[in-house]
Amino acid sequence: SQKIEQNSEALNIQEGKTATLTCNYTNYSPAYLQWYRQDPGRGPVFLLLIRENEKEKRKERLKVTFDTTLKQSLFHITASQPADSATYLCALGRNAGNMLTFGGGTRLMVKP
Amino acid sequence: GAVVSQHPSRVICKSGTSVKIECRSLDFQATTMFWYRQFPKKSLMLMATSNEGSKATYEQGVEKDKFLINHASLTLSTLTVTSAHPEDSSFYICSARDLGSSGADTQYFGPGTRLTVL
Repeated sequence: SQKIEQNSEALNIQEGKTATLTCNYTNYSPAYLQWYRQDPGRGPVFLLLIRENEKEKRKERLKVTFDTTLKQSLFHITASQPADSATYLCALGRNAGNMLTFGGGTRLMVKP
Repeated sequence: GAVVSQHPSRVICKSGTSVKIECRSLDFQATTMFWYRQFPKKSLMLMATSNEGSKATYEQGVEKDKFLINHASLTLSTLTVTSAHPEDSSFYICSARDLGSSGADTQYFGPGTRLTVL
């Protein structure tokens, strides 16, 4: 069965460092992958989308990589700030009209 | 960017009553909306897919008679929890799909509704 794994343990890093979150999947061939941010008691907020034929995508301090051979995506936040503290969800989709499948999310804590 | 609103943000009700939650896409038309349920420190669990003008598609294990979904317009979907019980207490989140020009399914989420059934 399809499986999307994100590290369930919280990631604690120091302000200014680069945070790296991992999303691994099995039994799935996604056409694209997305990352969302979710704050406590709030709905997820869309951050980035990367397609299967793209290796890397950047947006300001965010960088996403997508390795379809390893079946893995890495999400980086450079120069992290305490305001980046949140839960980050990865989601996979196959093609237009198909649903997204979400991972369990990883909580990031950036300490000042 | 695409904005999705939900109302109410919080609701407390007595066991046995029904609760309606509204989901609106404010600046785009959404032929498809999704309803999720989220337990504390858990990921989103898809409950159903709401299609404008047709019946909703429910995920396995979700009772369609208990969770009534109506998607009467391109900007509004409603979820009604009928005869609510304490075990229905949860965080309910809707999303609206924006396929855009590229066809990739990007979902824009509402802020969520915290339901507490006493």
